[in-house]
Amino acid sequence: EDQVTQSPEALRLQEGESSSLNCSYTVSGLRGLFWYRQDPGKGPEFLFTLYSAGEEKEKERLKATLTKKESFLHITAPKPEDSATYLCAVQGGGFKTIFGAGTRLFVKA
Amino acid sequence: EAQVTQNPRYLITVTGKKLTVTCSQNMNHEYMSWYRQDPGLGLRQIYYSMNVEVTDKGDVPEGYKVSRKEKRNFPLILESPSPNQTSLYFCASSLSIGEQFFGPGTRLTVL
Repeated sequence: EDQVTQSPEALRLQEGESSSLNCSYTVSGLRGLFWYRQDPGKGPEFLFTLYSAGEEKEKERLKATLTKKESFLHITAPKPEDSATYLCAVQGGGFKTIFGAGTRLFVKA
Repeated sequence: EAQVTQNPRYLITVTGKKLTVTCSQNMNHEYMSWYRQDPGLGLRQIYYSMNVEVTDKGDVPEGYKVSRKEKRNFPLILESPSPNQTSLYFCASSLSIGEQFFGPGTRLTVL
C-alpha cells in the first residue's frame, strides 16, 4: 500500500537556525515526489517536484533531496515568513496522489 | 490569471440534503482532483480525473460522486451528506504528472 510519513509533526526554530524535514515514502512505481507549502486557511502552494533518487532542487532558503526511500526538505537560515505547514506527496503508477500529514514549522524572530 | 475556483467557499447544511461543490480551472489541465483535509490526517484524495469522462477513486471515495463532462469543470457531489463529511475540501488541477494547482478550499459543515 502506498504510504507517506512526515516527521517531525511540528518544528520550532529560531530565526537563522537551519534544520531538515523528513518525508519517508512507500510507493509502487514512483512517478514523482512533491513538496508543497500551506499557509493557514489557504490551499497548498507548489514548491518542488523530484523524479528520481539523487535529484536535488533549490529555491531561496529551501533545498529538496530524494533517495529511494525518503526525501528531505532542508531549510537554511529560516525567517519568520517561512512559518507554514510543509506537505510531502507522491504519485505512483496508478496516478493516485498520496499526501503525508505535514510538518508545521514555526520560526521565531 | 491562471486559477482554480471553487464554490461555495463556505457551506453549512443538514444531514441528507444533496449538495454540489463546483470546481473550475482555466489552465487547460487534463488532471483534476478532489481532496479533503482533516486535522491530523492531512490531505486525502477523494476522486481524480485524468481527462474528460475518465475518473477514478482516490483513498476516501465513499459518500461522494464526481463527473467530468468538460475539461475545465470537475464538480463534487454529496448525494446524502452526513456529519462525518464535515471537512475542508480542496480541488486541484495539473497538466499530468507534476505540480498541482489548488483552489482556495470549501469549508463544509454537515449538521
